[in-house]
Amino acid sequence: QLQLQESGPGLVKPSETLSLTCTVSGGSISSSRYYWGWIRQPPGKGLEWIGSIYYSGTTYYNPSLKSRVTMSVDTSKNQFSLKLTSVTAADTAVYYCARRPDYSGWYPFDYWGQGTLVTVSS
Amino acid sequence: DIQMTQSPSSLSASVGDRVTLTCRASQGISNYLAWYQQKPGKVPKLLIYAASTLQSGVPSRFSGSGSGTDFTLTITSLQPEDVASYYCQKYNSALLTFGGGTKVDIK
Repeated sequence: QLQLQESGPGLVKPSETLSLTCTVSGGSISSSRYYWGWIRQPPGKGLEWIGSIYYSGTTYYNPSLKSRVTMSVDTSKNQFSLKLTSVTAADTAVYYCARRPDYSGWYPFDYWGQGTLVTVSS
Repeated sequence: DIQMTQSPSSLSASVGDRVTLTCRASQGISNYLAWYQQKPGKVPKLLIYAASTLQSGVPSRFSGSGSGTDFTLTITSLQPEDVASYYCQKYNSALLTFGGGTKVDIK
């Protein structure tokens, strides 16, 4: 059974960099059949797609966050990561990692991690 | 950028009612539309993809329809366990967008 688990600091100071890692178990992140993504949800609000990454390192970012986001993949550890720079209180949210299939066509996210709350505060 | 607009933002209905949620895309997206269910305090769950295909294990009281810019999610007989927020998402490219969500409660 595929599982995704987010990890990283739960508290980040304003202007600093938010760093999260998603560890994938029960499947290989190196498969050409999947993209891996990050989604966030501010408390009491809706879902926002942050970006996606392919095992090769190809990335796609939400245009509204693109200037602050970097995603990377570590196939040796079966992990992918998110960095968000210059954070403010508006970046406080539950951050989810998820899998997006690529079965010779576009598909939505089908497996999600449990999410991790990141609070931006001094 | 394609915007996704959901309506209503919230609704209350009685157990057994037929409930219809709407999602509109600002440009045509063919049938690349997914619906997610998020119960309070839980992780979003994929309900429907390709506008009308039920994900494995999803009860048959859920159905989706639409193509192009206008889509609907219908719950034919609302159950207490359906209390949740429902989000649509367009996925016709590498760039993804969620709708703002519809919160469904029991009256």
